[in-house]
Amino acid sequence: AQKVTQVQSTGSSQWGEVTLHCSYETSEYFYVILWYKQLFSGEMVFLIYQTSFDTQNQRNSRYSVVFQKSLKSISLVISASQPEDSGTYFCALSEPSMNYGGSGNKLIFGTGTLLSVKP
Amino acid sequence: DTTVKQNPRYKLARVGKPVNLICSQTMNHDTMYWYQKKPNQAPKLLLFYYDKILNREADTFEKFQSSRPNNSFCSLYIGSAGLEYSAMYLCASSNRREVFFGKGTRLTVV
Repeated sequence: AQKVTQVQSTGSSQWGEVTLHCSYETSEYFYVILWYKQLFSGEMVFLIYQTSFDTQNQRNSRYSVVFQKSLKSISLVISASQPEDSGTYFCALSEPSMNYGGSGNKLIFGTGTLLSVKP
Repeated sequence: DTTVKQNPRYKLARVGKPVNLICSQTMNHDTMYWYQKKPNQAPKLLLFYYDKILNREADTFEKFQSSRPNNSFCSLYIGSAGLEYSAMYLCASSNRREVFFGKGTRLTVV
């Protein structure tokens, strides 16, 4: 079963507000959801994160999230979208991992959403 | 400085030959990850270190090895490269909240 699910693609017009959706599965009490943009070079650029303990939606510049903890859903909102925002956006779940007797946080990605912002 | 550095940026390898990729970070993060990324696919977690403890995924357990001689440095080792190993390899480090990625190493196996 997919732990992190994203819609395949979406579009927007310049200066509009874009919302990208992500849903996830976890039974952990503490976890973190992170959003990344993948550049054409393949580089993953960190955008914003939200922890399960955060009571307010996080914001970082033009990026914000809408966190619906009870639904295990989180959306990335990009305000004043620009053509340069076009690309693939990944949602990732960070949760504790106890594989092989180890510890630390495992980071699991969704399949990404391709965003196209038209001028 | 939130830089994660990966070397080399591009690597060409022959089938059956070993490959060693290098990653470093200076943020004193306790966790370092290695991912394999192929086009139109989600980044696939290969393994990660929490401090000195190595966690490897079940389906890649025997294909990839790693070492972390100190907190800043982590390597990914492929003993015998196959054509299917051609991909972007991404290293990341984390303080359990933020996770920062390097620019990646593009490996092509011929």
